[in-house]
Amino acid sequence: DIQMTQSPSTLSASVGDRVTITCRASQSISSWLAWYQQKPGKAPKLLIYRASNLESGVPSRFSGSGSGTDFTLTISSLQPDDFATYYCQQYNSYYTFGQGTKLEIK
Amino acid sequence: EVQLVESGGGLVQPGGSLRLSCAASGLTFTSYAMSWVRQAPGKGLEWVSSISGGGDNTFYPDSVKGRFTISRDNSKNTLFLQMNSLRAEDTAVYFCAKLQRSFDWFYFDYWGQGTLVTVSS
Repeated sequence: DIQMTQSPSTLSASVGDRVTITCRASQSISSWLAWYQQKPGKAPKLLIYRASNLESGVPSRFSGSGSGTDFTLTISSLQPDDFATYYCQQYNSYYTFGQGTKLEIK
Repeated sequence: EVQLVESGGGLVQPGGSLRLSCAASGLTFTSYAMSWVRQAPGKGLEWVSSISGGGDNTFYPDSVKGRFTISRDNSKNTLFLQMNSLRAEDTAVYFCAKLQRSFDWFYFDYWGQGTLVTVSS
């Protein structure tokens, strides 16, 4: 099974900050990686697919990069609506998720 | 607009059974593979099962294989998850999710709001 490890688990930041979340796969997954945002009591929302492709309707301040085993999600300028939990997920071999990164207001 | 609405969750005793449903609208249902994903209280996301658009192919992780069965009724645009031999560790919110194809790989692009399953005596 492919394991996904995100870091950090918790991130404190302020509105306007640039933040980066990293995700590492236990083996190469090419670019078959997605990023999701989840708010309390809500379903996950797709942000990025195939490592760097922005889902329709997602603000351009979100971007993704990486391939192989190392990936990043960057938010260029944090907005109040961005404080949430973020998950990476591989779909190279079935589906596994990272443990999540909670983005908190500093 | 794609909408996925789950139902059927509730409280069940260990060893019991439950059947979840997911009503889909706003898409040509038979054209898309579908999945169930769960989230234990305060925990992360775990894939539970997937089914092809025609219903011919099903997939499960080891944690539920032999206990859970995914199925679909394309005439009613509805996805199901039959859960048997339930355990306390199956307690979670269960989400229905649509799979989007990218070459020969699939990712989750739309999710329902989830239904809570609690396994407890």
